[in-house]
Amino acid sequence: SQKIEQNSEALNIQEGKTATLTCNYTNYSPAYLQWYRQDPGRGPVFLLLIRENEKEKRKERLKVTFDTTLKQSLFHITASQPADSATYLCALVDSGAGSYQLTFGKGTKLSVIP
Amino acid sequence: GAVVSQHPSWVICKSGTSVKIECRSLDFQATTMFWYRQFPKQSLMLMATSNEGSKATYEQGVEKDKFLINHASLTLSTLTVTSAHPEDSSFYICSARFGSRGHQPQHFGDGTRLSIL
Repeated sequence: SQKIEQNSEALNIQEGKTATLTCNYTNYSPAYLQWYRQDPGRGPVFLLLIRENEKEKRKERLKVTFDTTLKQSLFHITASQPADSATYLCALVDSGAGSYQLTFGKGTKLSVIP
Repeated sequence: GAVVSQHPSWVICKSGTSVKIECRSLDFQATTMFWYRQFPKQSLMLMATSNEGSKATYEQGVEKDKFLINHASLTLSTLTVTSAHPEDSSFYICSARFGSRGHQPQHFGDGTRLSIL
């Protein structure tokens, strides 16, 4: 069966450290993988997209890697701040999906401790 | 950035009531809109995909007669939960996408918390 797993339900990290979140998938052939941030009671906000033929993407303090052999994406936040505390969702666009709809993982709740 | 407005943000109503939720893209034309449902500590589950001027495509297990979707224009989609019951209580979120390609991100509304008594 198809699965998207974000291994940690919750992650606590000290301010200033690098947070690393993991997204693994099974029985998908994603053409794209996206990361979103969701705050409590709010809708997700798009952060980064990486294509199947890209290894790494950066945006300011954020970095995403994509390893199609390992079937894994890693999401890094460097120099983490308390304001980075939120739930981070990975979502993939399966190459077979007709309308390019997203399938989401359950998310990892990140808490950055001052 | 792209803004999607969802209204209302919170609804409490009696069992048997029909509830309408609006989703508007404020500063771009949304070729495709999506409706999701999210239970606490769970992932967003896609309910249906809607393209302007055509019938929505529902995911397996989602009753199309229960969850009516109308995408009348490139900036507005509505979800009507008909004859709502307590098990329909959830967080409903819409999103809009400009274009039909997978590399374009979705822009989400802030959700509607629906509580059926």
